Amino acid sequence: DAGVTQSPTHLIKTRGQQVTLRCSPKSGHDTVSWYQQALGQGPQFIFQYYEEEERQRGNFPDRFSGHQFPNYSSELNVNALLLGDSALYLCASINRRVAGGQSTQYFGPGTRLTVL
Amino acid sequence: SQQGEEDPQALSIQEGENATMNCSYKTSINNLQWYRQNSGRGLVHLILIRSNEREKHSGRLRVTLDTSKKSSSLLITASRAADTASYFCATDSRQAGTALIFGKGTTLSVSS
Repeated sequence: DAGVTQSPTHLIKTRGQQVTLRCSPKSGHDTVSWYQQALGQGPQFIFQYYEEEERQRGNFPDRFSGHQFPNYSSELNVNALLLGDSALYLCASINRRVAGGQSTQYFGPGTRLTVL
Repeated sequence: SQQGEEDPQALSIQEGENATMNCSYKTSINNLQWYRQNSGRGLVHLILIRSNEREKHSGRLRVTLDTSKKSSSLLITASRAADTASYFCATDSRQAGTALIFGKGTTLSVSS
């Protein structure tokens, strides 16, 4: 049973650049959420994708965008990178059709983004 | 914004001792989950407790939930060095849908 996978593991970018992070959900899951975790903080919800559409969004600027593919995998794109975007980006998945999604969310290992 | 607040922020104990971490939250919830994170890696799910449950056990873990006080506690019994990690509580609610709202976490250090 494949868990949530993310790529790449680490990434270094410079200010102003654009970055794309990738996530494959746990087998059988159809909904993907993205979180940003700054150093020493808890994860913060960015947005959630289900049926290839953004369903919920946290308090993040439009520089953060995403996409979900028919196979349920997802991408997180960040444009015009700022130093403050340096963080661990986590992907989580659930099966929305199970108890309306009110179930355990499984997280991937994360992508460490460093913006110089 | 962060809904949950864990207490204490840091906890140091000896192997074999019990560790108790507390979490408070602000709004009504559907579920509360506890996660563990080792050295800035991914989150490992520990336990989920629903709003209509008061206590749940899983191995050496015991979680309680008091919705009247909007608080939860995580007890790890007979701690081991491998339990050294950061622990987060996360809530989801009718308002927030399935988005999880995390606290800042408790850093647990278990020395042998």
